[in-house]
Amino acid sequence: EPEVTQTPSHQVTQMGQEVILRCVPISNHLYFYWYRQILGQKVEFLVSFYNNEISEKSEIFDDQFSVERPDGSNFTLKIRSTKLEDSAMYFCASLASGPDTQYFGPGTRLTVL
Amino acid sequence: QKEVEQDPGPLSVPEGAIVSLNCTYSNSAFQYFMWYRQYSRKGPELLMYTYSSGNKEDGRFTAQVDKSSKYISLFIRDSQPSDSATYLCAISNNAGNMLTFGGGTRLMVKP
Repeated sequence: EPEVTQTPSHQVTQMGQEVILRCVPISNHLYFYWYRQILGQKVEFLVSFYNNEISEKSEIFDDQFSVERPDGSNFTLKIRSTKLEDSAMYFCASLASGPDTQYFGPGTRLTVL
Repeated sequence: QKEVEQDPGPLSVPEGAIVSLNCTYSNSAFQYFMWYRQYSRKGPELLMYTYSSGNKEDGRFTAQVDKSSKYISLFIRDSQPSDSATYLCAISNNAGNMLTFGGGTRLMVKP
């Protein structure tokens, strides 16, 4: 069964460093998303991406964040200058189209020291 | 008022019990209702997906949506220890739009 994959599974970085989280969505899907979950808290929406542009973003997704689909398979989330409060699980999700729902990857655990 | 509210639990039941998990929401524009299961430090796994009101059944799982009360439910019949996880409701106002999640209910099924 097709699935969303994410790499790395765990990323440790120093405050102020840039990180790139990678996702490979399900191959025929058209909509792509990033969510995050701080330990013990709700899953929160960050951004959605369709037709090579951001379609929706939350207040969390400020200028420090960017997304890119550099080729036909990868979808990346970049955090330019990480803060301690960016420590969280980051989930990528994808959706085919129409009345369907989002399928999530296993997540990348980001630890900012 | 929070957009989506969910009792955090934990909910502890014996094996074989019927489990009822619930969420309430505030925005009547929501049309798409999902239930995800999440094991510790893993990604949400889709269980059930319902559009608008009504019931949907899949094996031991039944999802109900009552839009007039802004209330959604997930029932698990013949619960198993492997059902022990956190159950997340997620809601959207349109296909393709962002999901708004509840905080999750932690379920423990004891053998």
